[in-house]
Amino acid sequence: DVKVTQSSRYLVKRTGEKVFLECVQDMDHENMFWYRQDPGLGLRLIYFSYDVKMKEKGDIPEGYSVSREKKERFSLILESASTNQTSMYLCAVAPGYRAFFGQGTRLTVV
Amino acid sequence: GNSVTQMEGPVTLSEEAFLTINCTYTATGYPSLFWYVQYPGEGLQLLLKATKADDKGSNKGFEATYRKETTSFHLEKGSVQVSDSAVYFCALSPMDSSYKLIFGSGTRLLVRP
Repeated sequence: DVKVTQSSRYLVKRTGEKVFLECVQDMDHENMFWYRQDPGLGLRLIYFSYDVKMKEKGDIPEGYSVSREKKERFSLILESASTNQTSMYLCAVAPGYRAFFGQGTRLTVV
Repeated sequence: GNSVTQMEGPVTLSEEAFLTINCTYTATGYPSLFWYVQYPGEGLQLLLKATKADDKGSNKGFEATYRKETTSFHLEKGSVQVSDSAVYFCALSPMDSSYKLIFGSGTRLLVRP
């Protein structure tokens, strides 16, 4: 199994701050994903990456960007945090049909 | 487009009761279907899967059968335990994008002793 580690479990940031969420896998898989999880909405795909420096927008990319400089690390960036970005953020690695998830980062923007 | 619809929760059951969580999907062709589970304070983990019509996925006493004719993948368990309390997500992976997952909204299950 793939171990997926997200750098923070809980974060509190101020409106307008630039926020970095980090995700690291312990293997060498190409496909990595960032989702946000909101009650009643399930998981929505923000961005995914299928290789180093390769990325594609998901369903809700507005207000976010990503960076993948090394294969094991995939970062989600909130350029200017807003209160509507308060959410649970989940990173996933999918070597095939099966996805492995990190524990999530609960971000609160005040 | 592709989508997954789950029954709304929360679902509250007594221990040893029978569980059904409904899931229907919209997709072209033959997607792969999954149930993921999220225990409190944890990320999602794969519970079971089915990759073609009439396949039955099973794990930890849970079962789901891929029904192409009704586009459904309902999750069942004959006798739930308190430890099954979690949020359950139905998901599909489209035929043309096997690395993508599309999730339903999740169903919270609470099992009381």
